[in-house]
Amino acid sequence: DTGVSQNPRHKITKRGQNVTFRCDPISEHNRLYWYRQTLGQGPEFLTYFQNEAQLEKSRLLSDRFSAERPKGSFSTLEIQRTEQGDSAMYLCASSFTENTEAFFGQGTRLTVV
Amino acid sequence: AQKVTQAQTEISVVEKEDVTLDCVYETRDTTYYLFWYKQPPSGELVFLIRRNSFDEQNEISGRYSWNFQKSTSSFNFTITASQVVDSAVYFCALSEADYNAGNMLTFGGGTRLMVKP
Repeated sequence: DTGVSQNPRHKITKRGQNVTFRCDPISEHNRLYWYRQTLGQGPEFLTYFQNEAQLEKSRLLSDRFSAERPKGSFSTLEIQRTEQGDSAMYLCASSFTENTEAFFGQGTRLTVV
Repeated sequence: AQKVTQAQTEISVVEKEDVTLDCVYETRDTTYYLFWYKQPPSGELVFLIRRNSFDEQNEISGRYSWNFQKSTSSFNFTITASQVVDSAVYFCALSEADYNAGNMLTFGGGTRLMVKP
């Protein structure tokens, strides 16, 4: 197991298009988290899952953002009708429990043109 | 509301110098966790340490050491004898210590450390 995997690593899209990112957590990690990081800033929490249950989603940035983890393994983050302000690095992390450290993937860098 | 402040946006040192990265936090929670992560140019956040708010003992791991002072709400990070490979952005972070909030991290703005040969 090589850690948290995110795909794609880079995505360029035109404004108004929908995009979907995938995150494969470390095996047997029950918790999965999504963060967004804009240039020069620290990551900002978006949402997280305990297995397939999305336990916190109030911090998703708008109703254009949604996330799923259908079988409690990989997760997807979708942004509909992208805007230039959505350009950022989207980071995924996973942890075994709420009480163990989270390991981050290398992120997906989104550029909206 | 939680807040983490890293006042030093950028630090430049020469190899073998010691360097301290400052972190000040705000929280109303009585129990919480504090973290440090390293983000090298590759972009992946690398976990360095987690500290429970009840444990104020300082910690040393090789060239790294952490000074947690609850009285001043600070959790500073010192690298001794810095090396070029230490060049990265370092983030301090905070989370509540309960089931629902675990690993819902509030990050500071980061400190970019540049170690010159």
